[in-house]
Amino acid sequence: KQEVTQIPAALSVPEGENLVLNCSFTDSAIYNLQWFRQDPGKGLTSLLLIQSSQREQTSGRLNASLDKSSGRSTLYIAASQPGDSATYLCAVWNSGNTPLVFGKGTRLSVIA
Amino acid sequence: EADIYQTPRYLVIGTGKKITLECSQTMGHDKMYWYQQDPGMELHLIHYSYGVNSTEKGDLSSESTVSRIRTEHFPLTLESARPSHTSQYLCASRDRVNYGYTFGSGTRLTVV
Repeated sequence: KQEVTQIPAALSVPEGENLVLNCSFTDSAIYNLQWFRQDPGKGLTSLLLIQSSQREQTSGRLNASLDKSSGRSTLYIAASQPGDSATYLCAVWNSGNTPLVFGKGTRLSVIA
Repeated sequence: EADIYQTPRYLVIGTGKKITLECSQTMGHDKMYWYQQDPGMELHLIHYSYGVNSTEKGDLSSESTVSRIRTEHFPLTLESARPSHTSQYLCASRDRVNYGYTFGSGTRLTVV
């Protein structure tokens, strides 16, 4: 059974810092991996989708990498801002028809 | 802007009542999902559907039912609400082209 782990569980950084969020998964035969952002009491906003044939994706200050063989993904946030404060969730799925498996998330606070 | 809509956004209801949470998407996605999330906790899969007349149970499905009569509509029904059902319910659908997931804004349910 696929399991997803996110480290750290919580992170507090001063504004302007670059930071890395980590995601690991137990079954490396994933189909795709997706990073989401969730603000308190809200739904999930998709940040980046990495398909199984890709190694990384970039959007603005965000860069996500995927290493399937080691079962790891990282989300890099450059020049963090207070507006980046949220919970970041990593999710994978193993085939075209299986549902997403989520990690428990990393709760990020960026202090002005 | 989300193309998946959930109503109501908030609901407070008494114990024993029957309730239906609505989820609709305008993207023509075949695959749709319901997740339950307690505050600050991880997401748990309740039900999912691969298309019209297809429904599957997830991890926490025993106290709810779903139907998929139309591609765009995937309602979740609780036959008899209990305080333990107090939670946030998130609906999602999946793109058949790039396989990314899109989430709705959620329904926050309180059973008193």
